[in-house]
Amino acid sequence: DQQVKQNSPSLSVQEGRISILNCDYTNSMFDYFLWYKKYPAEGPTFLISISSIKDKNEDGRFTVFLNKSAKHLSLHIVPSQPGDSAVYFCAASGKQSGVSARQLTFGSGTQLTVLP
Amino acid sequence: DAGITQSPRHKVTETGTPVTLRCHQTENHRYMYWYRQDPGHGLRLIHYSYGVKDTDKGEVSDGYSVSRSKTEDFLLTLESATSSQTSVYFCAATRRHENGYTFGSGTRLTVV
Repeated sequence: DQQVKQNSPSLSVQEGRISILNCDYTNSMFDYFLWYKKYPAEGPTFLISISSIKDKNEDGRFTVFLNKSAKHLSLHIVPSQPGDSAVYFCAASGKQSGVSARQLTFGSGTQLTVLP
Repeated sequence: DAGITQSPRHKVTETGTPVTLRCHQTENHRYMYWYRQDPGHGLRLIHYSYGVKDTDKGEVSDGYSVSRSKTEDFLLTLESATSSQTSVYFCAATRRHENGYTFGSGTRLTVV
């Protein structure tokens, strides 16, 4: 049972336009959410995060929105650039009973392609 | 960059043989993790460590064991490799979860 879902395996966007990547979660205990970007043959790199006490966090061209009632978050990239082409993973963390430390639970990823 | 080095970067091994993957970090991070990445599954947690000699199981721990005898090293062992363990393995580390994890470059393991 996937607790973090990214239902779109791929997304293509024209350079300069907005990219919107979506993520849904089911576990109400999650209180911290992160986005990672991954290029081929490299490890994932941290992009941006948001705490459950906020509904928006912005960092340059990247903005993450959190809708707790809908258990949904999204990553907006404006404007999109060809160098943004990568796989984007949504991840969530929470204080869960029975575990020794926080863990990140990842979605299955969305391949973003920004067309020049 | 937390200075995470994974070795080897690539390995091909035969079914039934033991395999050990190494993760080395230079930033004195307390928490370390092993994930595997497979198509359609994203990254799934195998084992993690919250201190020297302190480890626990993740979502897909069957067939794997780990050891952490020093802060900087976290070893993942496949006692008897199977074809289902063909995957890309990533190590990660963090000092504070709010800062996100730093990942190594991965080890591509093929079990034939």
